[in-house]
Amino acid sequence: DQQVKQNSPSLSVQEGRISILNCDYTNSMFDYFLWYKKYPAEGPTFLISISSIKDKNEDGRFTVFLNKSAKHLSLHIVPSQPGDSAVYFCAATITGNQFYFGTGTSLTVIP
Amino acid sequence: DAGVTQSPTHLIKTRGQQVTLRCSPKSGHDTVSWYQQALGQGPQFIFQYYEEEERQRGNFPDRFSGHQFPNYSSELNVNALLLGDSALYLCASSRRWEAFFGQGTRLTVV
Repeated sequence: DQQVKQNSPSLSVQEGRISILNCDYTNSMFDYFLWYKKYPAEGPTFLISISSIKDKNEDGRFTVFLNKSAKHLSLHIVPSQPGDSAVYFCAATITGNQFYFGTGTSLTVIP
Repeated sequence: DAGVTQSPTHLIKTRGQQVTLRCSPKSGHDTVSWYQQALGQGPQFIFQYYEEEERQRGNFPDRFSGHQFPNYSSELNVNALLLGDSALYLCASSRRWEAFFGQGTRLTVV
């Protein structure tokens, strides 16, 4: 049973515009959410996280929004840059034990 | 800080063989988890080690086993390899809620 879902396998955005990556989850016990970025032939790189007690966390060009009532989180990248092109994984965890991952969204930023 | 390191980076094995993958965690991290990532999928949790004990296990058969050493490094062993075991195997070390991944070991079973 997929507890974390990323329903958009791919996304294309023009350079300089906003990229919005979405993630839905089913388990209301998740207390921490993370976004990872992955290039081919590399392991996932931690990008940004958010605790379930918050609804927004910002780090430079990256902002994560959490809507607990909708069991939905999103990653906003503004402005998007060609180097942001990668696969982005959403992950969730309960107290840092097992991490549940979505299937990923491949972002392409067009110069 | 070397981060999480895994070895080897690539491996080719024959069906029925056994394989051992290795992981050194990020400095200061005492928990190591292993994930399998098949093509086009997100990482799937195999198991997690803490204080040299398997603390949690995902939905993987007993052919998958592991070990954690006193220095927190870890091994993943897979016995009786199947073609379907071909995947990227990721090690993640963590402290509390944030997990950092190694570059992975690409295992190909032929």
